[in-house]
Parts: sequence; structure tokens; C-alpha cells
Amino acid sequence: SQTIHQWPATLVQPVGSPLSLECTVEGTSNPNLYWYRQAAGRGLQLLFYSVGIGQISSEVPQNLSASRPQDRQFILSSKKLLLSDSGFYLCAWSVNSYGYTFGSGTRLTVV
Amino acid sequence: QKEVEQNSGPLSVPEGAIASLNCTYSDRGSQSFFWYRQYSGKSPELIMFIYSNGDKEDGRFTAQLNKASQYVSLLIRDSQPSDSATYLCAVNYGQGAQKLVFGQGTRLTINP
Repeated sequence: SQTIHQWPATLVQPVGSPLSLECTVEGTSNPNLYWYRQAAGRGLQLLFYSVGIGQISSEVPQNLSASRPQDRQFILSSKKLLLSDSGFYLCAWSVNSYGYTFGSGTRLTVV
Repeated sequence: QKEVEQNSGPLSVPEGAIASLNCTYSDRGSQSFFWYRQYSGKSPELIMFIYSNGDKEDGRFTAQLNKASQYVSLLIRDSQPSDSATYLCAVNYGQGAQKLVFGQGTRLTINP
């Protein structure tokens, strides 16, 4: 069966520090991969998606970037975090038209 | 701008009653629609998807789609306290790869 792993579960980082969040998927090949952010009291915002290795589409201009170095690995990064980057970061995957499966999420607090 | 609108609630329903959650979307060309449930502090989980006009039933859940009115709804029959959560409506706006746009969610509370 397919599983998605996301870590860490929680993270507290100072303003201006770098960020790296990792997501891996098991049990499937060539998934579409997504990064969403859910700010406190707000809806899910699509940040990046990828349909294959090295293929990244950005939905929202910001100080975040994404990379897909392997078929089942998706990384979200920042060189310098802002206070506004705080939120619940969710990785998701899909291989067909039947919706996404989300990872357990990373709760990021920038202080 | 592709939008998905939901009443944020909170919606309070007595145990055993029917909970009705509604969603409207802006793009008439959208083809697939999803309902997710999100418990506090957890990630969303897929409950149902619907592509065709009409009703789709899965256990206590029924999704309803009316493309002419650009309206999607979720009915929960025999509501249980464990159904208390935020329900997210999502619409696929992608061409090729899925790209789901989510509503703000409706917070549902089932009162014992």
C-alpha cells in the first residue's frame, strides 16, 4: 500500500534561518507531488507541485523553493525564513484523478 | 481567480440528525470535486469525490453535485460526535496534473 512520510512534525525556527522540509512517498511510482500551506485560521494554499523528477511548478511567489531530486522525494526549502512563513505545511501525492493523500504535516513556527 | 466558497460555520447539529455542508465554485469548467475532513491539528483526509451531476452515496455520506448551479454539497446522516471536524471542499482546476483549490472549510460540531 502507498504511504507518505513527512518530517519533522513540529519545528520552531528563528527569523532569517534556513528551512528544509522533506516528504517521501512509498508504494507508488511517478506520483504527482504537492506542497500546501495552511496558515492559522485560513484555508489550504497550494505552494508547489511536481509531475516528475526536476519538474517544479510554483503557484505563489515567495521566499520558498521546492525540489524533487528523486521520483518519490519532494523537498521544501527557504534560505531565510520570515514570520509570515509560519503555518502548517502539508505534502500530498496523487497518481490519478481521485484526489490527494496528505502527509501528517509539519507545524512551523517562526519566532 | 479560481475560488471555492464555503460557510465557515460553526455548524452545530444534534447527534443522530443530518448535517448539510455546502460549497460553491467559480469555474464552470471544473470537472472533479472532493470533500475532505480535517480534525483539529491533523492533516485532511479524503472522504468522497464526485464527478457527475447528481448524488453519490458512501455509507452515511452523500455528495451532491449540480454543475449548472456550480454547487457541491455533503450530507452526513445519523451524525456522530466523531464527525465533529472541519470539512473542506476542493475543486480540481488543473489541466493534466490535478491542482486542487480548497475552500476555507466549515467547522461542524455534533452535540450529544
